[in-house]
Amino acid sequence: EAGVAQSPRYKIIEKRQSVAFWCNPISGHATLYWYQQILGQGPKLLIQFQNNGVVDDSQLPKDRFSAERLKGVDSTLKIQPAKLEDSAVYLCASSFNRVNTIYFGEGSWLTVV
Amino acid sequence: SQQGEEDPQALSIQEGENATMNCSYKTSINNLQWYRQNSGRGLVHLILIRSNEREKHSGRLRVTLDTSKKSSSLLITASRAADTASYFCATDAVRGSRLTFGEGTQLTVNP
Repeated sequence: EAGVAQSPRYKIIEKRQSVAFWCNPISGHATLYWYQQILGQGPKLLIQFQNNGVVDDSQLPKDRFSAERLKGVDSTLKIQPAKLEDSAVYLCASSFNRVNTIYFGEGSWLTVV
Repeated sequence: SQQGEEDPQALSIQEGENATMNCSYKTSINNLQWYRQNSGRGLVHLILIRSNEREKHSGRLRVTLDTSKKSSSLLITASRAADTASYFCATDAVRGSRLTFGEGTQLTVNP
């Protein structure tokens, strides 16, 4: 069974530029998550989708972050404009439904300089 | 506010020894999960324990949950160098709600 796919794996941008991350969840998984993990800390949920609807985006900085999950499968997370403090690993994860085990991708490493 | 907090922040042991990590949380939970993260990789689910359970085993892993003390422990027996990783506890307050992770314990197992 293929895992959660993310791209790009690494990205370096200058502050105020924009960046987009892509995620393809495990086939059949209705719930998709985007987490932000700053070095040395635990992951923090940014947004949670159930199919193509948003379940929880309370910790998403909506002035600069946006995410969508069209057709309830793939998802993109965009940051515009980026700040230095956005340097982190962005982890996509999926689960069969909201109460099942969460499977994580390898993450997209963002460095903002 | 951070729900789960792991203790210790870092742990270094010799291969073959047991490793114990603790997690404390603040509010009532539905269940508690433990995840492992190897350096530069994503998180891998290890074990889930429900709020009405007190102990659970999976291979060399043993998890306990004490809801009266709002704490959990993860024991890895007969550790191996490959167990070197960060270990996180995660809790959800209500079934299906946001999963909140702690800051993690960095475990180093020396060969």
